[in-house]
Amino acid sequence: GQNIDQPTEMTATEGAIVQINCTYQTSGFNGLFWYQQHAGEAPTFLSYNVLDGLEEKGRFSSFLSRSKGYSYLLLKELQMKDSASYLCAVSDSNYQLIWGAGTKLIIKP
Amino acid sequence: SAVISQKPSRDICQRGTSLTIQCQVDSQVTMMFWYRQQPGQSLTLIATANQGSEATYESGFVIDKFPISRPNLTFSTLTVSNMSPEDSSIYLCSVGDPGQANEQYFGPGTRLTVT
Repeated sequence: GQNIDQPTEMTATEGAIVQINCTYQTSGFNGLFWYQQHAGEAPTFLSYNVLDGLEEKGRFSSFLSRSKGYSYLLLKELQMKDSASYLCAVSDSNYQLIWGAGTKLIIKP
Repeated sequence: SAVISQKPSRDICQRGTSLTIQCQVDSQVTMMFWYRQQPGQSLTLIATANQGSEATYESGFVIDKFPISRPNLTFSTLTVSNMSPEDSSIYLCSVGDPGQANEQYFGPGTRLTVT
């Protein structure tokens, strides 16, 4: 079956760095996405990785290792507004997105 | 990215009734999807809305319960029929384009409560 695993909840301190991991087992792979979802709002696109390596976009970076079925989202210089759920999703062989359950990130002052 | 609107933003409905949710996009898009997100859960794909043909439903979802229309490339509706409290959820419309690395953009969602 298809499976995406990510931690349920993480806590970090304002100004610090946090890494949110995602492991996946899917039928085929056409890329991995990270989305941010604030409580009561729709998910918003953060990043897309299809090749191995690190993609940096401002304070956010996303890493992919296809051989390990592994990705992480790295958030630097954390701000209170980064408190949200972070969803990992994989595009499978049919280009359908398979979603993880999301990681709730709590930022403390 | 496309701008997506949904109506209504929220509703409280009685069991046994039906609600139609509208999704409007400000540009023509190839792919439109309907998701359900129950409290504290991730996204579950209900169906892919196909323009000019019947929607493609995921396992566990049927057309009689969730009829979908897609009359053109900018608009779709999802109806939640014969509602029960278990249908209380957030319903999200999203759009994607195979030419844009398959990323999807989401509407603001419809928060449905069934009493």
